[in-house]
This record gives sequence, structure tokens and C-alpha cells, in this order.
Amino acid sequence: DGGITQSPKYLFRKEGQNVTLSCEQNLNHDAMYWYRQDPGQGLRLIYYSQIVNDFQKGDIAEGYSVSREKKESFPLTVTSAQKNPTAFYLCASSVSGSTDTQYFGPGTRLTVL
Amino acid sequence: SQQGEEDPQALSIQEGENATMNCSYKTSINNLQWYRQNSGRGLVHLILIRSNEREKHSGRLRVTLDTSKKSSSLLITASRAADTASYFCATDAWGGSEKLVFGKGTKLTVNP
Repeated sequence: DGGITQSPKYLFRKEGQNVTLSCEQNLNHDAMYWYRQDPGQGLRLIYYSQIVNDFQKGDIAEGYSVSREKKESFPLTVTSAQKNPTAFYLCASSVSGSTDTQYFGPGTRLTVL
Repeated sequence: SQQGEEDPQALSIQEGENATMNCSYKTSINNLQWYRQNSGRGLVHLILIRSNEREKHSGRLRVTLDTSKKSSSLLITASRAADTASYFCATDAWGGSEKLVFGKGTKLTVNP
């Protein structure tokens, strides 16, 4: 059963803490993406990766970091430098980069206490 | 920056009616995609239309693309309560952009 999984579904963070959101895919896709969604808003691109060991900043990368050590995994770390991290985070993948159809995970809702 | 902008922001209709959502964009594109998002969930791809196509159908969905007006529409016919969701258009940029840009979405409510 192929797809994208994200964990945890809900995450609570105290101010000043770093937290890592998990994203795993078994679709054999080369490209992976992280988006942030705020209430009533569209998706904003944080980081994307078109190949293992390579990634690029998106539109709102400040305060976030990623790694792509394996094709299947693209974890996102929300650092304490991110001033307003409370949001819904979505991970996606596509066969290759460019503008292929993207397949999304179920999302992680991060709340800063 | 937002490439696609959906209109209206919210739409409420009765079951059985048709729902039309529009998307306008600013720069030339290779293709345009429509996605659906149920509340609190990830997005699901609905349909992709290429810049050289004018109309595409998938089940009860009909998408049109007018590149001269830089606009697209998504029509859902004979709507059902289960169609209640937010609908987003996503565009790339001509010249091989590596990423999609999503609009803010249209929130559709279908009342039983």
C-alpha cells in the first residue's frame, strides 16, 4: 500500500525548542516538498528536494531546516529561530521535480505553547 | 508570491447543483493543476491541464483553461455533500520552474 506518511499528527512545542516532523514515502518518488498552511490560506513552500543529498529553499525557509539522506525520507526541523511556527505542515512527493502531480501526506499540526 | 488566485473565496450550494470555481494567474504556465483538501487533511490531486489543452473532464469534474485570459475554471456537476472541501489551483511557471505555486483556495460547502 503505497503512500506518504507524516508523524506525528499533532505536535506541541514549548517556545525555544526545536522539533522534527517526519515524512516518509514508499512511492519511489525522487522529489519531496514541505509546505506550511495557515488558517484560511494556501500552501507556502518551505523546502524542496529533487534528489537525495540535495535540497533547495522555498519561499519561507527561515527558521526551518531539512535533510535528505535517503530517498524515502525528508524530515523537517522547526527551529527556535522560527518566530511563529504554529501551523499545519504538509509533506508531498512527486515522481520527479518540476511540476509533476504531487502526492500529499495527511499533515502535522504544530502548536507552540 | 501567489501565482494562482481562486474566486470565490467561499461558495455554498445545495446538493445537486453545479459548483464553479475560478483561478486566475499572472505569468505563462506549462500546466495548471486542481487539488482538493478536506478539513484538516492533506491535498488530493484532481486534474492536470496542460497549456495546450482547453478543456478536460474527469467524472463529474470539468476543467477549462484560457491561456489568453490567464484563467481556469473547475466545474463540479451534480454536487454531493461529500464534495464539501477546499479546492486549490496550482501553477508552475513557463521555463521549467521546479515548484508549484498554490492559491488560497475556494471553500465549497454543499448542503444536503
